[in-house]
Amino acid sequence: DARVTQTPRHKVTEMGQEVTMRCQPILGHNTVFWYRQTMMQGLELLAYFRNRAPLDDSGMPKDRFSAEMPDATLATLKIQPSEPRDSAVYFCASGLALKSVAFFGPGTRLTVL
Amino acid sequence: DQQVKQNSPSLSVQEGRISILNCDYTNSMFDYFLWYKKYPAEGPTFLISISSIKDKNEDGRFTVFLNKSAKHLSLHIVPSQPGDSAVYFCAASVSGNTPLVFGKGTRLSVIA
Repeated sequence: DARVTQTPRHKVTEMGQEVTMRCQPILGHNTVFWYRQTMMQGLELLAYFRNRAPLDDSGMPKDRFSAEMPDATLATLKIQPSEPRDSAVYFCASGLALKSVAFFGPGTRLTVL
Repeated sequence: DQQVKQNSPSLSVQEGRISILNCDYTNSMFDYFLWYKKYPAEGPTFLISISSIKDKNEDGRFTVFLNKSAKHLSLHIVPSQPGDSAVYFCAASVSGNTPLVFGKGTRLSVIA
């Protein structure tokens, strides 16, 4: 049963701490997306990779957020330092190039106190 | 500037009746449209899609209609069932090769 996995599912941290979220895309998918869901903005794109290369990270606050794909089976999203306004649900999704359908993981619910 | 808009945050429908969820877009380059369904504490799941070369796509109880001249699409669910209660997101892309741009979602409640 192919699915996107994300860890941790929940994270509570204090302002100023580093947060790392991990994602395992579906095997064989060459495109990975990071989205953030908030009440105000809905689902907004933070960054995406194709064949492990970053194609667009314009949705991320550059000074504190970073996204990487160390290998084809792992994508990471880091926030350092975290702030209360970063509290949201972060979704990873994967798909194939030229195919619009993206398959989402269950999300990481982040709370920054 | 929201390129994909879902102007109704919520909708309540009686079981067995039709649910109609609406979505508008502003970017005329969009040519592929999708609907996703999201239950609490889960990620969005793909429901149905439509290409701009079509004006209708049907899959069981779900039908998506596209009106390109009005830049409007709608999702019809008939008959509605309590299990359809979820948040529905409209999304769009260009040539199936760009990241999906999502609306803010519409929460559908189907009342038994």
